[in-house]
Amino acid sequence: DTEVTQTPKHLVMGMTNKKSLKCEQHMGHRAMYWYKQKAKKPPELMFVYSYEKLSINESVPSRFSPECPNSSLLNLHLHALQPEDSALYLCASSQVDRGTYEQYFGPGTRLTVT
Amino acid sequence: SQQGEEDPQALSIQEGENATMNCSYKTSINNLQWYRQNSGRGLVHLILIRSNEREKHSGRLRVTLDTSKKSSSLLITASRAADTASYFCATDGGMFSGGYNKLIFGAGTRLAVHP
Repeated sequence: DTEVTQTPKHLVMGMTNKKSLKCEQHMGHRAMYWYKQKAKKPPELMFVYSYEKLSINESVPSRFSPECPNSSLLNLHLHALQPEDSALYLCASSQVDRGTYEQYFGPGTRLTVT
Repeated sequence: SQQGEEDPQALSIQEGENATMNCSYKTSINNLQWYRQNSGRGLVHLILIRSNEREKHSGRLRVTLDTSKKSSSLLITASRAADTASYFCATDGGMFSGGYNKLIFGAGTRLAVHP
């Protein structure tokens, strides 16, 4: 199974709402990533988890809170978002080793903040 | 931060023609990857070329890497309408952080292949 799944596919939320994005992979990858992508722009890295520990936080505002409950799951908790946070949120996973490997991406969650 | 710059930003061709996209980067790298993204969907890995390789093929794809010029190119031969997508190069910026990859994506090339 080489699939990364993300739920929900679409999410509309108000600025006072709390919601969560979920990501799951069963490839045994021990690195998982959250990216944010605006229209016609490349993905921007937000967070990296390696062996279920947060390894990189690219100065992301605290209204985004990542969580890695186990080696297969990655969540992104959202609270008090702003309209400019509307974007495609992509989850990815990869092997962990001395080297660089391809990242496997999920289909993304299209988030709209109203 | 964005390391790779790609050109052209957009490319429109007819089916059967070849499409060439270029990527330039600023710092040394261990390897460079190319990804494809269909509209509004996740990215799909196409090919990885290591810094000690000059050329790599995968089906209709040919990737070259010139580390002296800090540039790479992706050639898609005999293009099809299904190749319509955005194509991104991604580098590791020469970084290795002990177990994960921090990829830095280029701005991307939007390819449109017309039947």
